[in-house]
Amino acid sequence: QVQLVESGGGVVPPRRSLRLSCAASGFTFTSYAIHWVRRAPGKGLEWVAVISYDGSDKYYADSVKGRFTISRDNTKNMVYLQMNSLRPEDTAMYYCAKASDSITVYTGGHYWGQGTLVTVSS
Amino acid sequence: DIQMTQSPSSLSASVGDRVTITCRASQYISSYLNWYQHKPGKAPELLIYAAASLQSGVPSRFSASGSGTNFTLTISSLQPEDFATYYCQQSYSIPLTFGPGTTVDIK
Repeated sequence: QVQLVESGGGVVPPRRSLRLSCAASGFTFTSYAIHWVRRAPGKGLEWVAVISYDGSDKYYADSVKGRFTISRDNTKNMVYLQMNSLRPEDTAMYYCAKASDSITVYTGGHYWGQGTLVTVSS
Repeated sequence: DIQMTQSPSSLSASVGDRVTITCRASQYISSYLNWYQHKPGKAPELLIYAAASLQSGVPSRFSASGSGTNFTLTISSLQPEDFATYYCQQSYSIPLTFGPGTTVDIK
């Protein structure tokens, strides 16, 4: 069955870095884009970034552009989110999600992981 | 960026009630509209894609319609497991924006 498992969250001081990982299984990983979505405490869902099935296209929310980098390793079925210059407002549960349609990034997230919590605080 | 709005922001309803949530896009998005259910401590679940297509495994009491800028999600007979927050999301253009959510709780 399809599984996505996030890891790498934790407590980090402002302006530091953290790398999140998303391990995927149970589907043809090389055919699907992967999204990162977050939910801050007391707030709604916020789309963060997406990477295309082959890693050639990457897109970001304005709130993280220039600070976060999404990447993938299709030999390991892994997606990463490198988060630099973290701010308190980046505190959130971070989810990775498999695109609901193959190939395109212009699609929702079908299967989601359980999330990994990032807390930015001194 | 395309802004998504939802109404109401919250509602109280009873088991068996018919519930309708509306979602509006700030510009044309064709049928690139998805609906999610999110419960505390759980992963979000995709209910509807392409504005009106029911995701496999989602109960048939959920339905949706709309195109262009105006969309609705309807739960025909609310069940106890349906109390949650519902989000719409446009996938027409980057960034893929979510609506602010509609929380459905027990009256």
